[in-house]
Amino acid sequence: DAGVIQSPRHEVTEMGQEVTLRCKPISGHNSLFWYRQTMMRGLELLIYFNNNVPIDDSGMPEDRFSAKMPNASFSTLKIQPSEPRDSAVYFCASNSATRGEKLFFGSGTQLSVL
Amino acid sequence: GESVGLHLPTLSVQEGDNSIINCAYSNSASDYFIWYKQESGKGPQFIIDIRSNMDKRQGQRVTVLLNKTVKHLSLQIAATQPGDSAVYFCAENRRAGGTSYGKLTFGQGTILTVHP
Repeated sequence: DAGVIQSPRHEVTEMGQEVTLRCKPISGHNSLFWYRQTMMRGLELLIYFNNNVPIDDSGMPEDRFSAKMPNASFSTLKIQPSEPRDSAVYFCASNSATRGEKLFFGSGTQLSVL
Repeated sequence: GESVGLHLPTLSVQEGDNSIINCAYSNSASDYFIWYKQESGKGPQFIIDIRSNMDKRQGQRVTVLLNKTVKHLSLQIAATQPGDSAVYFCAENRRAGGTSYGKLTFGQGTILTVHP
């Protein structure tokens, strides 16, 4: 089991640039979650998918954020245009019905917007 | 609004001592609770979970206690080791008609430091 794989591990960009974060969930998992972690707000759920369909995107900060899951093994979180306040660690997590409700997290992407 | 919160942001213990990390929740409708450990530069790692129909659950060196009367959750770590040093998060699943499966709401976290 390779675990949830995220890329890149670190991203440094300038304000106004487009940023794309990538995630490969654990094979066989049918739910995928994007979380954002900051010192001020902790871990916040941005959006989650079930069977590749977005179920709840109420946590997405604003229209600058978008997420897609074109197939069961890949998801992207895009920020366009990026702003300094988007700086955070972004985690992807996945789970499946057979594993109960516990989420398996990736190592995260550390995003810095200058 | 309702949230999951921790009483103590930091906890320092000596190696070999038992550690207790506390968590308060406010949503009485929550029926599933989980503890995660997060080491520096890594994602949260599952430790142990418990459903609301239980009061206690034990794992390897860890025990989770749930007191639904006062909406309190605790994580006990026996014989704490330096490798246990990390941030510990509690989380709850607030079910809503079956559509929130796996949708966890996290507390702010407690920093556990274990001194050799």
